[in-house]
Amino acid sequence: EVQLVQSGAEVKKPGESLRISCKASGYSFNSYWIGWVRQMPGKGLEWLGIIYPGDSETRYSPSFQGQVTISADKSISTAYLQWSSLKASDTAMYYCARRAGPVDYWGQGTLVTVSS
Amino acid sequence: EIVLTQSPGTLSLSPGERATLSCRASQATSSSYLAWYQQKPGQAPRLLIYAASSRATGIPDRFTGSGSGTDFTLTISRLEPEDFAVYYCQQYGSSTWTFGQGTKVEIK
Repeated sequence: EVQLVQSGAEVKKPGESLRISCKASGYSFNSYWIGWVRQMPGKGLEWLGIIYPGDSETRYSPSFQGQVTISADKSISTAYLQWSSLKASDTAMYYCARRAGPVDYWGQGTLVTVSS
Repeated sequence: EIVLTQSPGTLSLSPGERATLSCRASQATSSSYLAWYQQKPGQAPRLLIYAASSRATGIPDRFTGSGSGTDFTLTISRLEPEDFAVYYCQQYGSSTWTFGQGTKVEIK
């Protein structure tokens, strides 16, 4: 069974760094792109970027280039989304998602709250 | 970058009625890379339609996708109580994604 299990909710202060994770199981992690999607409170879905774990090729939405970093560790089938300096406007639910053409599997979401 | 514009923003309908949701792309996009998702409160999105008109596994046949070029449509033939949710279109070509802003289908 394909599963994407994300790390738990985080509460951070502005300026802090953060890395959230997405652990994949039930399929060949190296063979499918994994994307990250943001959903701010009460708002729609926004694509941040995507990584191909097989060779770590990464692509970012122009809106998020330089704002976040996407990476993956093949040895533990885990993708990451990280920030070096959080802002209050980063408060949102973040989903990882497997690309098999369209997105066929989603993680359960990680809620990130940034507040002083 | 392709921009997807969904209309209407909100659709107020009664169970049993037909829902027609629109997704317009800022430039022609391959129908092979157009999907529709359903999202209910507190849940991750769920894939309904891919390649513009193919139903995902387990999706009832009351959901139909159509369109090509810049204009795509999701039709729900007869709304069931569980269909009241937010619907998003997405283009997923070239390993880059764009989502529409969503259409909320609410109970009238």
